[in-house]
Amino acid sequence: RKEVEQDPGPFNVPEGATVAFNCTYSNSASQSFFWYRQDCRKEPKLLMSVYSSGNEDGRFTAQLNRASQYISLLIRDSKLSDSATYLCVVNTNAGKSTFGDGTTLTVKP
Amino acid sequence: DAGVIQSPRHEVTEMGQEVTLRCKPISGHDYLFWYRQTMMRGLELLIYFNNNVPIDDSGMPEDRFSAKMPNASFSTLKIQPSEPRDSAVYFCASISRSDTGELFFGEGSRLTVL
Repeated sequence: RKEVEQDPGPFNVPEGATVAFNCTYSNSASQSFFWYRQDCRKEPKLLMSVYSSGNEDGRFTAQLNRASQYISLLIRDSKLSDSATYLCVVNTNAGKSTFGDGTTLTVKP
Repeated sequence: DAGVIQSPRHEVTEMGQEVTLRCKPISGHDYLFWYRQTMMRGLELLIYFNNNVPIDDSGMPEDRFSAKMPNASFSTLKIQPSEPRDSAVYFCASISRSDTGELFFGEGSRLTVL
């Protein structure tokens, strides 16, 4: 079993739709959590951190459920520019950063 | 700061040749990571260093792969001999654990082994 698992998609949604991505992790000692975005043929870049209380950044909302070892990302009112691959990242207290395989989103007009 | 700098950006080589990928992390960052990305296997962690010391190399696929970090501003990933299945994008990333926890990536080295 992979340490970090994501639904690979692809998700194809119309503009304005709400879409949710899920991620599960196996290491219960994991300490910090992030969502990264990767555009085609580019390097991954930080989208947002994920806090235990849940956090929001504009149209993006991230949630963490430590008991279920589950992380989610919700995108509201999706835009064409949101088309990308979204990567879930889990850090352990040993400093290791492990990525999920990513979920591909295509937003269509 | 210029960010994480990787070289070469692209390399095409023939099977059996030695390949050396280079990385300069962001100044002050104490962790450095090497990842490999392919369509089939996604982004795989190969090895990471803390203060120039390798911490976990369990992701290194086999003995043909080796990585070094002789000082805080330079790391190499070497493949010898290279094989076609090594074709991938190799990313270097660095982080300061005392900061926000954001991992900063270089633009990647795209390797093609013929």
